[in-house]
Order: sequence, then C-alpha cells, then structure tokens
Amino acid sequence: KAGVTQTPRYLIKTRGQQVTLSCSPISGHRSVSWYQQTPGQGLQFLFEYFSETQRNKGNFPGRFSGRQFSNSRSEMNVSTLELGDSALYLCASSPRTGGNEQYFGPGTRLTVT
Amino acid sequence: EDQVTQSPEALRLQEGESSSLNCSYTVSGLRGLFWYRQDPGKGPEFLFTLYSAGEEKEKERLKATLTKKESFLHITAPKPEDSATYLCAVQATGFQKLVFGTGTRLLVSP
Repeated sequence: KAGVTQTPRYLIKTRGQQVTLSCSPISGHRSVSWYQQTPGQGLQFLFEYFSETQRNKGNFPGRFSGRQFSNSRSEMNVSTLELGDSALYLCASSPRTGGNEQYFGPGTRLTVT
Repeated sequence: EDQVTQSPEALRLQEGESSSLNCSYTVSGLRGLFWYRQDPGKGPEFLFTLYSAGEEKEKERLKATLTKKESFLHITAPKPEDSATYLCAVQATGFQKLVFGTGTRLLVSP
C-alpha cells in the first residue's frame, strides 16, 4: 500500500505571499491531520479533516486554513506568510477520526524569506 | 492542558549498550500513547501504540512500556541504524490531535 504523499517537498516563499500544500492520504484513510514542526516548538497540531469537515483545530491564527476533498485528499493554505512560518509541515493519515494511529508523510519544507 | 515531557534530550550510546528513554505525560483521559521514530528530513515513522497501564509492546530491539504517568522506550543492544529522534505523543479520548514531546535524539556509535 502506498504511503502518505505530500507535495511539494520543498518551497521557498517571500513574506506576505500565500502558499498551498497538498496531502494524499493512504488509500482508504478518511482522516487527515496537519502538523507544524519547528526546532523551537516541536510538532504542533494545526487541524484535522474527516469526511470533508474540519473536526479539530489547534492554536494557530486564521491565516492557516485547510480543506478536504471527496477523495480524502487535503490541502493546507497559509496566507500572508511571516518569517516564523518557516517549518516542516507534516500531514498524517488515519482510517477514522476520534483517536487512532496516524501515519505521517515526508513533509513539506517551507522557507519564508 | 495535555503535556508530554521527554528525557533525556539527547543520548549517546555505544553499539550494544542498552538504555531507556522516558516519556512523562499528563492528559485528560488517555486514549493512547504513541511512539514514533524520526530520521533527519523525514516524517515520523509509527512504532507503537499503548492504551493502558501495564501494557508492553516489542519490535526488534525496542520495547515500550506504560504506567499511569509515564512510558519508557527500552533499547536493547542498539545498533548504529537505531540512531534517530524518538518522539512520544499522547491522544486524549475522543480527539484525533496528538500532543508531542520534544523528542530524544539518540546517537549509537559503532
């Protein structure tokens, strides 16, 4: 079974721009969660989508948003980028919501200059 | 607020030198405690889920145990390929969100 895929793998953007990251979950998995990983804060939960609905949201500003499509693929958008948004953005896939093992993709490395 | 603390931050072992990593947690109703391994530049790789105190799970040279307040990841006779960052995370009942510790960086020298 193919694992979680994320595109692009690397991205360089300028302050003020916006960015969209994509995640394709493991086949048959319907829950997709997004995490931000930085050296200072570690892994922090952004939000979770299940059946095209946002189920949970972490403590991030409204500039961070996402969506999920009917095929369970998910996108994450960050508007008005700031230098502090530079991070590894990880997507995790799970068969169901409400508490299950999560399988992570390789991540998208975003650098904001 | 759910919290996870991992110790030590970094650990250097000689090949074959067994040791343990610690994960202390507080959570409002534990659904599961998860261990992941992360190599540089890669996403976390799932290792174990523990659900209740007293539970143990093993995989090759790794063994994870759980009490009501902490979990241990025991590494027996490690090899250089076990070098990685080991992450611990908790999940509260009814929620998908994982709360992670900051990890233990393990380096195993030949």
